[in-house]
Amino acid sequence: AQSVTQLDSQVPVFEEAPVELRCNYSSSVSVYLFWYVQYPNQGLQLLLKYLSGSTLVKGINGFEAEFNKSQTSFHLRKPSVHISDTAEYFCAVSDEYNQGGKLIFGQGTELSVKP
Amino acid sequence: DARVTQTPRDKVTEMGQEVTMRCQPILGHNTVFWYRQTMMQGLELLAYFRNRAPLDDSGMPKDRFSAEMPDATLATLKIQPSEPRDSAVYFCASATRQGADTQYFGPGTRLTVL
Repeated sequence: AQSVTQLDSQVPVFEEAPVELRCNYSSSVSVYLFWYVQYPNQGLQLLLKYLSGSTLVKGINGFEAEFNKSQTSFHLRKPSVHISDTAEYFCAVSDEYNQGGKLIFGQGTELSVKP
Repeated sequence: DARVTQTPRDKVTEMGQEVTMRCQPILGHNTVFWYRQTMMQGLELLAYFRNRAPLDDSGMPKDRFSAEMPDATLATLKIQPSEPRDSAVYFCASATRQGADTQYFGPGTRLTVL
């Protein structure tokens, strides 16, 4: 069975500082990995996804993530955050054998950017 | 700009009442997911459909919850009877068939059962 662990439930950071949100997964098969963002009172939207190929994936709003198969991690990074990045971030995993693209989500990391 | 729509956006009801939530997936998407989000449990998958047929509803309490797709443009989630523990935000998402495809989420229905 697949699972996702987001190692930090809350990450406070000052504006313009770098940030890393950590995600580890477990799976016995090759996986697809996703990061979604949820702004207050909204649904989730895709930030980026890893399917195959280059392990460094660039997404929207200046975010990027690196797939590390040996460490089963998919950490999300941004070199300089803005107040508008304040949101909840979810890591998710699917696999190529899973019917219907079912995603397994982590518990979420609340990113709080302070001025 | 294609979007998933959900109605109602907010619903307050009393324990024991029937609640129906509706979702219109993005045109052309044939896979529809229902999720529930609470502070305690996070984001839980309740059920999902492909081409209107249920693929997995193991996350759904069977005695009171039901999910259907009367047609390709409408998915419904019903709770009967509702209970206070059902209070949550319910999200619908749609995607195309491929496992690697992005799921597009609706804005959610915030349900409060008193």
